[in-house]
Amino acid sequence: DAGVIQSPRHEVTEMGQEVTLRCKPISGHNSLFWYRQTMMRGLELLIYFNNNVPIDDSGMPEDRFSAKMPNASFSTLKIQPSEPRDSAVYFCASSPRSYSYNEQFFGPGTRLTVL
Amino acid sequence: EDQVTQSPEALRLQEGESSSLNCSYTVSGLRGLFWYRQDPGKGPEFLFTLYSAGEEKEKERLKATLTKKESFLHITAPKPEDSATYLCAVRGMDSNYQLIWGAGTKLIIKP
Repeated sequence: DAGVIQSPRHEVTEMGQEVTLRCKPISGHNSLFWYRQTMMRGLELLIYFNNNVPIDDSGMPEDRFSAKMPNASFSTLKIQPSEPRDSAVYFCASSPRSYSYNEQFFGPGTRLTVL
Repeated sequence: EDQVTQSPEALRLQEGESSSLNCSYTVSGLRGLFWYRQDPGKGPEFLFTLYSAGEEKEKERLKATLTKKESFLHITAPKPEDSATYLCAVRGMDSNYQLIWGAGTKLIIKP
């Protein structure tokens, strides 16, 4: 079975540009999470979707960040405009049950560098 | 406030030298404690879930145990391929989905 798929794997952009990260969760999973990982702050939950509906976006740093899940097999995380402090690895994870009492399965991540 | 502390930050072992990693937690009612392994340039990979004190789980050279205050990840006779960062996370009663993550222990096994 294919795991969580993320694209692109690496993104280098200049400050002020729009960045869109993409995620395809594992088929049949109805919980989806976007995380950001940095050396300083570790793993931070940005937003959680359940059955395609955003449940908790309190971790989104500011209005420059937005996320959508138009269907069960696709989600995007957009940063506009991007800033150097947004440089990090962004992970998407999915879980087979609502509200994820169980394990989360992570994608390979997108390494974002904002110059 | 819910909190997870992992120690040590880094651990270097010789191949075959057994040891343990620690995950101490403070949470308002534990719903689950999770161990993950993360290799450089990859996403965390799920290893174990523990739900109650006294529970143990094993997988190859790894064994996870749980008490009311901490969890240990015991590694027996490790091999170089066990080198990775090991992450611990907990879910408390206050959340149906939020995981509180530790900073991880970087494990290096020298041949």
